This record gives sequence, C-alpha cells and structure tokens, in this order.
Amino acid sequence: GAVVSQHPSRVICKSGTSVKIECRSLDFQATTMFWYRQFPKQSLMLMATSNEGSKATYEQGVEKDKFLINHASLTLSTLTVTSAHPEDSSFYICSARGSGPDYEQYFGPGTRLTVT
Amino acid sequence: GQNIDQPTEMTATEGAIVQINCTYQTSGFNGLFWYQQHAGEAPTFLSYNVLDGLEEKGRFSSFLSRSKGYSYLLLKELQMKDSASYLCAGVDSNYQLIWGAGTKLIIKP
Repeated sequence: GAVVSQHPSRVICKSGTSVKIECRSLDFQATTMFWYRQFPKQSLMLMATSNEGSKATYEQGVEKDKFLINHASLTLSTLTVTSAHPEDSSFYICSARGSGPDYEQYFGPGTRLTVT
Repeated sequence: GQNIDQPTEMTATEGAIVQINCTYQTSGFNGLFWYQQHAGEAPTFLSYNVLDGLEEKGRFSSFLSRSKGYSYLLLKELQMKDSASYLCAGVDSNYQLIWGAGTKLIIKP
C-alpha cells in the first residue's frame, strides 16, 4: 500500500521561532498533497492543497505568509510554521494523492507541535 | 453550500453491532470515504463507495444511497479496539474531500 511519512513526529519550539514539517510519499508519486490541522477533539481542518511545482491553494482563514508550503518534488512537501505562537500548537497531518483515478488520500502519521 | 453531517458521539457494547450514519450535500459527487482515526493518530482508510449499495469488508460494511445523499458505516462484532472516531468524507466535483466532523464511537465492555 501507499506509505506517507512525516517528520518530525513531535516538536516543541519557543514562541517566535519557525518550525518545518516534512511530508514524503515513500512508494508513489504524489501529484497532490494536503495539509490538515486538527485541534483536540475536533475534526480535520484542511489548511491548503499543493500540487507539485505550483503554489499551494490555501483555505479561507489560513495565512499563507505564516504557513509556508513547498511542494518541490513529487515525493516531498514541506510546511513551515513561521513565527509560531502558542495558539499554533496542534496536530498537523499531511496526506498525499497519486495521479490515478483513486481519490483516496494516504495520510502521514502526523506531527504534534507544541509552542511554548 | 457543501455539508457532511454525522452524529457527534455514539456508544455501543463489545460484541454488538453499530451503524454510523452520514448525510452529505456536495457540489457534484464522486464518491464517499470512511476513515477511522484513533486518538492522537492520523486517519486510516476504511472504505470508498461510489455506486449505490453495500460494500462488505470483514467486520466493516459501508452503504451508499446517492438518491438520498446518505451513507452508513456498519461495524459488527465490536471490539474494544474499535473505539475511535469515524470520519465520513464526500468527494465533490473538483475531487476534493469534504470532511464531516467525525463520530466518536465509545465501546463499553
């Protein structure tokens, strides 16, 4: 099956610093990757959709200058949380979709970000 | 607008059967997914329905009625490990997933 990895799995950073999260599709080419945020006891919230080689499409209310997304290759997308604040503490999950007719999204294991 | 509705929480007994319902309104329709998510973990795929009817996969089955905008996930022979959130997601005309808020399923001994 399709495997998606995320790194790091947990990160603690100080307020005002930046954090980069990597999402990799290990055994398939991901033409589209999605970044989600999930607060405790809430459902997934789509932050942005990125297609390889083009700019990400951000959902309404998501600051693109704060959450920088780069999808430089068919197997790697990165999310950088810039100038992190405690309210950015959340579970960040990426998913990837291939180019076939299967619209299933394969999820990474998630990254728990804590901003102190 | 697009919307996915599912119950917030359900409780069931170990060994029993539970049905989690989902109604959807999407701009166009290209299928419906069910995902399972344990606390603190990423979602995992359970099923995908694009045609009407019941799809059975072991203890889990998923049903779709496109005319009614309705789906359900049926879990049989419940086990304690089935305690999780179950997410319903519809695929719209742009092939984007529209997510429900999830149903937290609590299994009691």
